[in-house]
Amino acid sequence: SQQGEEDPQALSIQEGENATMNCSYKTSINNLQWYRQNSGRGLVHLILIRSNEREKHSGRLRVTLDTSKKSSSLLITASRAADTASYFCALAGANSKLTFGKGITLSVRP
Amino acid sequence: DAGVIQSPRHEVTEMGQEVTLRCKPISGHDYLFWYRQTMMRGLELLIYFNNNVPIDDSGMPEDRFSAKMPNASFSTLKIQPSEPRDSAVYFCASRLGGVKTEAFFGQGTRLTVV
Repeated sequence: SQQGEEDPQALSIQEGENATMNCSYKTSINNLQWYRQNSGRGLVHLILIRSNEREKHSGRLRVTLDTSKKSSSLLITASRAADTASYFCALAGANSKLTFGKGITLSVRP
Repeated sequence: DAGVIQSPRHEVTEMGQEVTLRCKPISGHDYLFWYRQTMMRGLELLIYFNNNVPIDDSGMPEDRFSAKMPNASFSTLKIQPSEPRDSAVYFCASRLGGVKTEAFFGQGTRLTVV
């Protein structure tokens, strides 16, 4: 399968807590990306990590990539109610194909 | 730039009718993707283009689906004839070429086939 698989499917946390979301995949990739989708809207890019990188940070986001285990994780620190959304990992192959997993529904309780 | 523009935002049609979804990518972007999103299957890649040429249409579910990109600023996804199971949200996305580029999504077209 060329899709990533996100885990867990749903996550509910209290505001201020950290949220950790995982993505596993089976194919080789050029890079891995995380996107966010608010209800009824299009997806918005959050962060990209190349296959030769292990960790990247952007504001409250931290993404890691382990190519030996074919897995990635997205950490959102100090979560806010406004972080409530669906989060997707996307695999970018050498052929520029971009495929998405089924997503993780994150609920942040005020 | 106004971003990726899709039309219509909502479409309700009767089974058997032809449906055409439209997309205007961001100017200068080399790649255009069409996706379908449902609760059951998530976000499926249907087809993508590079410089107006279809590269991979292996995700197109059936011959009833067809996509064209006659020029760099316009693409269509057509379903003929439509069926109730085609009901979904269809997204168009575009991006620049290169290895480190993000995709920009339109707001989607919610299609309901009754």
